[in-house]
Amino acid sequence: SQELEQSPQSLIVQEGKNLTINCTSSKTLYGLYWYKQKYGEGLIFLMMLQKGGEEKSHEKITAKLDEKKQQSSLHITASQPSHAGIYLCGADTNAGKSTFGDGTTLTVKP
Amino acid sequence: SQTIHQWPATLVQPVGSPLSLECTVEGTSNPNLYWYRQAAGRGLQLLFYSVGIGQISSEVPQNLSASRPQDRQFILSSKKLLLSDSGFYLCAWSHLIGNTIYFGEGSWLTVV
Repeated sequence: SQELEQSPQSLIVQEGKNLTINCTSSKTLYGLYWYKQKYGEGLIFLMMLQKGGEEKSHEKITAKLDEKKQQSSLHITASQPSHAGIYLCGADTNAGKSTFGDGTTLTVKP
Repeated sequence: SQTIHQWPATLVQPVGSPLSLECTVEGTSNPNLYWYRQAAGRGLQLLFYSVGIGQISSEVPQNLSASRPQDRQFILSSKKLLLSDSGFYLCAWSHLIGNTIYFGEGSWLTVV
């Protein structure tokens, strides 16, 4: 089965600093999703990547899918307290199922 | 636009009592529907998914069941709750296989 590994598990940064979260797959990714979640709330869809080398941005958040389509990175520029939360990557498997990483908890210190 | 709602948001139930979590999607037809459980620090576990009315696939053997009585309604149930059923449950939908999955607000279940 396809496994997604996220790193780091948790991250504490000072406001204004940049940060990167990684998501690595054991198999080729055919669709990679990034979500943000505030603790105890639903997941908010950020962006989806499908093509090798693809890069998308949403405000100060940029996500990339590597050429081999086995790793994605989420980069936040000039972090703010509003960026705090849990970031999860998800990927398509087959038959309508998706698999998710365990999440990265981001804390932004003002 | 499409929206998804699930309720109740929080629920405290005694062991052995029944459970019913309901989820509805609006603004689309024939969605794929999902129930996930999220444990702290352990990501999302797919419990059930449905590609159509009355079609339910179970991913994990457990004390829970799911039903889809209408196209845009997905219900998570249990006849007798266990302590281990406590957790955060998320309903979700997607248009087709391989499309983006959108999540509901989540339901906190505490079994006491």
